[in-house]
Amino acid sequence: DAKTTQPNSMESNEEEPVHLPCNHSTISGTDYIHWYRQLPSQGPEYVIHGLTSNVNNRMASLAIAEDRKSSTLILHRATLRDAAVYYCILRVGSGNTPLVFGKGTRLSVIA
Amino acid sequence: GAVVSQHPSWVICKSGTSVKIECRSLDFQATTMFWYRQFPKQSLMLMATSNEGSKATYEQGVEKDKFLINHASLTLSTLTVTSAHPEDSSFYICSARDPGQGWNGELFFGEGSRLTVL
Repeated sequence: DAKTTQPNSMESNEEEPVHLPCNHSTISGTDYIHWYRQLPSQGPEYVIHGLTSNVNNRMASLAIAEDRKSSTLILHRATLRDAAVYYCILRVGSGNTPLVFGKGTRLSVIA
Repeated sequence: GAVVSQHPSWVICKSGTSVKIECRSLDFQATTMFWYRQFPKQSLMLMATSNEGSKATYEQGVEKDKFLINHASLTLSTLTVTSAHPEDSSFYICSARDPGQGWNGELFFGEGSRLTVL
């Protein structure tokens, strides 16, 4: 899987937007960009994924650069429950391939 | 939505004993499940791919005789840590994809099983 680079940690105030960046300069044309997050002492959970166009769902928005070499996960209003490690992952191949996790970004939310 | 469940959530055992962790897909059938291990303050590390009805595929450096994986049905995979030692203490997590959600659908993860070997 192509490598992604994320900041080790970020901090946000509660109820403010958060922009989590991810660089993936070696992305290939068939790689989907996936975001998962892991709350303390839990398994990861899916957040969002996309290929080329920006994506929105109930949890977040995903903004993908035109050259696809970077992307940004946007949490529109951070809550204390959003404090987690966020992983940006490029997924190759068929659906039966596993996710390969990098170090992710640890997001702290301040009340 | 689809749910993957693990049991037990936590287990404490004596050094030298074996521990079995179960991973179940509750409302879908999973021909493939993945097992991860996570040490404190670190990321998830893929251990093996569990294939229903056939042998598991292990990642480099993971001892297949120590971490026995059995995928006997389309809804159950088990990971047995044999002759556990304190260095095997970790958070073990399984995941699976719901085939009904398309080839690039999300992976669902279990709650994790925390193993402590004394």
